Amino acid sequence: DAKTTQPPSMDCAEGRAANLPCNHSTISGNEYVYWYRQIHSQGPQYIIHGLKNNETNEMASLIITEDRKSSTLILPHATLRDTAVYYCIVRVRVTGGGNKLTFGTGTQLKVEL
Amino acid sequence: GAVVSQHPSRVICKSGTSVKIECRSLDFQATTMFWYRQFPKQSLMLMATSNEGSKATYEQGVEKDKFLINHASLTLSTLTVTSAHPEDSSFYICSAKSPSDSGYTFGSGTRLTVV
Repeated sequence: DAKTTQPPSMDCAEGRAANLPCNHSTISGNEYVYWYRQIHSQGPQYIIHGLKNNETNEMASLIITEDRKSSTLILPHATLRDTAVYYCIVRVRVTGGGNKLTFGTGTQLKVEL
Repeated sequence: GAVVSQHPSRVICKSGTSVKIECRSLDFQATTMFWYRQFPKQSLMLMATSNEGSKATYEQGVEKDKFLINHASLTLSTLTVTSAHPEDSSFYICSAKSPSDSGYTFGSGTRLTVV
């Protein structure tokens, strides 16, 4: 029941900005968008999350459209170490309270020289 | 920052035996932890939500009698794969909600191989 759609793969030149899109057209008003990345055979690493405002931290920026149906993760200056699978996730509420993260298929980002 | 530790990182077991995987929140308390499974070249699949002091909530299609979850303290959840078979070979990952603003913290995963 993943609620996100991402391109399966993207390439980016080192030093350039990597813009990773995500569609979440069925998102509800109180559901957050989370971004994680996973480098091969490791646990996912948190990047950023947001509700409706754009967010920025030391790793990336998150741009959420006004209707909240899509978002873009921006890595401002990609390096080879940013090569990973990037997951856009909508945090959903569960029956009885609480939340859970359900992963979609993700985007394999390959950063090249 | 919040750290979640998983142990063991790799385990090989014989078919028919049981394997226990531990997930610990090292510097925070976690009333809820999550268990995922990941097959090669696939995404993470949520198996169950582990609740401290109560029964786990399993996702549809996940056998609760095969994947036993115990969350006996605020810093430890365990997943036991009972009567393991080769098809249970996978990468098992746990996570917990961090008290900071950094979202959900994931462990480094456990590679289970059943021979």
